[in-house]
Amino acid sequence: DGGITQSPKYLFRKEGQNVTLSCEQNLNHDAMYWYRQDPGQGLRLIYYSQIVNDFQKGDIAEGYSVSREKKESFPLTVTSAQKNPTAFYLCASRSRASSYEQYFGPGTRLTVT
Amino acid sequence: AQSVTQLDSQVPVFEEAPVELRCNYSSSVSVYLFWYVQYPNQGLQLLLKYLSGSTLVKGINGFEAEFNKSQTSFHLRKPSVHISDTAEYFCAVSDADQGAQKLVFGQGTRLTINP
Repeated sequence: DGGITQSPKYLFRKEGQNVTLSCEQNLNHDAMYWYRQDPGQGLRLIYYSQIVNDFQKGDIAEGYSVSREKKESFPLTVTSAQKNPTAFYLCASRSRASSYEQYFGPGTRLTVT
Repeated sequence: AQSVTQLDSQVPVFEEAPVELRCNYSSSVSVYLFWYVQYPNQGLQLLLKYLSGSTLVKGINGFEAEFNKSQTSFHLRKPSVHISDTAEYFCAVSDADQGAQKLVFGQGTRLTINP
């Protein structure tokens, strides 16, 4: 089955620690995205990548970092500089050649205390 | 810059009643429009999309939406809802001239179906 996997489903960290969220897709999609979801605020774009070894900041990139070393993988690191990291994080991908919609993973809920 | 406004944060409806979830967008360029559904603690699933052509778009689970360019709206409708339609619904817009490179989402509408 083709799809997007995010792991883990739930993640707990202490304040001041960096944490990396995994996102893997086997859809052969070129573009990948990271969103943050908070209650009542919809989804906000953190980073996106159109091709391997290239990525762009979204609307709320401060305190986050990404890499895109492989087409299938787009990990997100939440650094200690992120002031309010507790949120639901969603990864998505899109085929630039054949469709316009984004396909979403199941999400990771990060809690920082 | 594009923006999306979902006019209702919560919509309670009785089972088998019709429902309309409202979405207005702001954009100075041609747009593509999307509706996604999110069940609790899950990712988003595409319900339907408008790219071009007929302004009435049919999607999965019996939902449909109508693109109204003059009113910059893309309201979602279903003639008869089921308990299983309880979820959060997101409207999103993208710039057609940039090949839908990025999506801008509304704040979401929580649809609650009561028996």
